Amino acid sequence: LAKTTQPISMDSYEGQEVNITCSHNNIATNDYITWYQQFPSQGPRFIIQGYKTKVTNEVASLFIPADRKSSTLSLPRVSLSDTAVYYCFPRGQNFVFGPGTRLSVLP
Amino acid sequence: DTEVTQTPKHLVMGMTNKKSLKCEQHMGHRAMYWYKQKAKKPPELMFVYSYEKLSINESVPSRFSPECPNSSLLNLHLHALQPEDSALYLCASSLGQTSGNTIYFGEGSWLTVV
Repeated sequence: LAKTTQPISMDSYEGQEVNITCSHNNIATNDYITWYQQFPSQGPRFIIQGYKTKVTNEVASLFIPADRKSSTLSLPRVSLSDTAVYYCFPRGQNFVFGPGTRLSVLP
Repeated sequence: DTEVTQTPKHLVMGMTNKKSLKCEQHMGHRAMYWYKQKAKKPPELMFVYSYEKLSINESVPSRFSPECPNSSLLNLHLHALQPEDSALYLCASSLGQTSGNTIYFGEGSWLTVV
C-alpha cells in the first residue's frame, strides 16, 4: 500500500510564497495527484490536480518531477485566510489522503 | 457548479436510534463516496458507488449501511452506533471512479452519538 507523507505543520507570514511538498513513493502509473484545502468544520475544497510537470490555476501551482514520487503545492503570496490544513491526495485505487499539513499564516 | 449537498449538517442520536445521512449532487457524476473524518485526522474512505452499484466497502461495520437510490442521491443509514462513531461524515462525487476525475466534497454532516 502506498504511503504518503507531508510535513505536519508549517508557519508563514502574509505575502510570502509557501511550498508544501508531499512524498508518494509508490504512486501508480495512472494516478493523478490532487491537493485539497480544509478549514475547520468544513469539507475539503479542491485546489489543484495534476499528473506530471507543472499545473497552474488562479490560486496555486503544482510541481511534479519526472519520477512523480513527490509533488509540491505552491501558494503565492499567502494571506491570513489561507490558514488551513492542506491534504495531498495521490488518486489511486485506495483513495487515501495524506496526513495533512497544518499551515498557519501569521501577520 | 461543483456542489455536493449534505443533510443534516448536525445530528445527535442515541445508540439505539436509526437515522440517515443524505447527499445529493446534480453534476451528472456517476461515482459517489462516503468518508469519515475524526478530529485532526485526514478523511478515511468508507464506501464508493460507481454507476449506482457499490464498488468499494472499506470493511465498514454493518451498523453503517449505504444506499444509492439513483445517480444523484447517496444515503448512509445509521443503526446501533457507538459513541466512537461520532465524527464528520463527508459525501463526495466525481465524474467517474478512475483517477483523473476530480473528487468534490460536500460540507459534511457532524454526527454525535450519545
